[in-house]
Amino acid sequence: AQSVTQPDARVTVSEGASLQLRCKYSSSVTPYLFWYVQYPRQGLQLLLKYYSGDPVVQGVNGFEAEFSKSNSSFHLRKASVHWSDSAVYFCAVTPYNNRIFFGDGTQLVVKP
Amino acid sequence: EAAVTQSPRNKVAVTGGKVTLSCNQTNNHNNMYWYRQDTGHGLRLIHYSYGAGSTEKGDIPDGYKASRPSQENFSLILELATPSQTSVYFCASGEFSLSNERLFFGHGTKLSVL
Repeated sequence: AQSVTQPDARVTVSEGASLQLRCKYSSSVTPYLFWYVQYPRQGLQLLLKYYSGDPVVQGVNGFEAEFSKSNSSFHLRKASVHWSDSAVYFCAVTPYNNRIFFGDGTQLVVKP
Repeated sequence: EAAVTQSPRNKVAVTGGKVTLSCNQTNNHNNMYWYRQDTGHGLRLIHYSYGAGSTEKGDIPDGYKASRPSQENFSLILELATPSQTSVYFCASGEFSLSNERLFFGHGTKLSVL
């Protein structure tokens, strides 16, 4: 069975600070992994995805994520956050079966 | 850019009433999905479809029906709405080919059942 755990429901950082949002997954196979972002009253938008190869993948707006098979993790990072990054971030996995499983999301609050 | 349109954006319904949420996609994707989003639960899959005429149960299908009459349209039907179905509902379309797994989401429908 597949599952995704985002241990932090809410993360608060100051503008300009670095960011890490954590994601752990459970899967019987190495899945495809995603990070999505949701701005207020909008649907989810894809930030980045990982299939194979280089464990560090680059996404939009300076976001990157690192896959670790040994830790079953796919943490999201950004070197310097902006107030406009305030949103809810979802980690997701798909074991190639036409379904995507989402974590509960992490609300990011960027303080000025 | 791929487009998924949901209607209505907001809906207030009475307990026991019938509610239909509509979704239209212009992406020509085979797969379409209905999720509900509740605080503390993330997105939970209700029903999905592999193409016109097909519907599949997701993780929380009880109390919901789905209809996929065409490639473009996918509806979620609440025959007897209950207050526990108050939520935000998202429709998505997507394709799952090698290296191209991605979902495109609508803006959501906020449903309140009184």
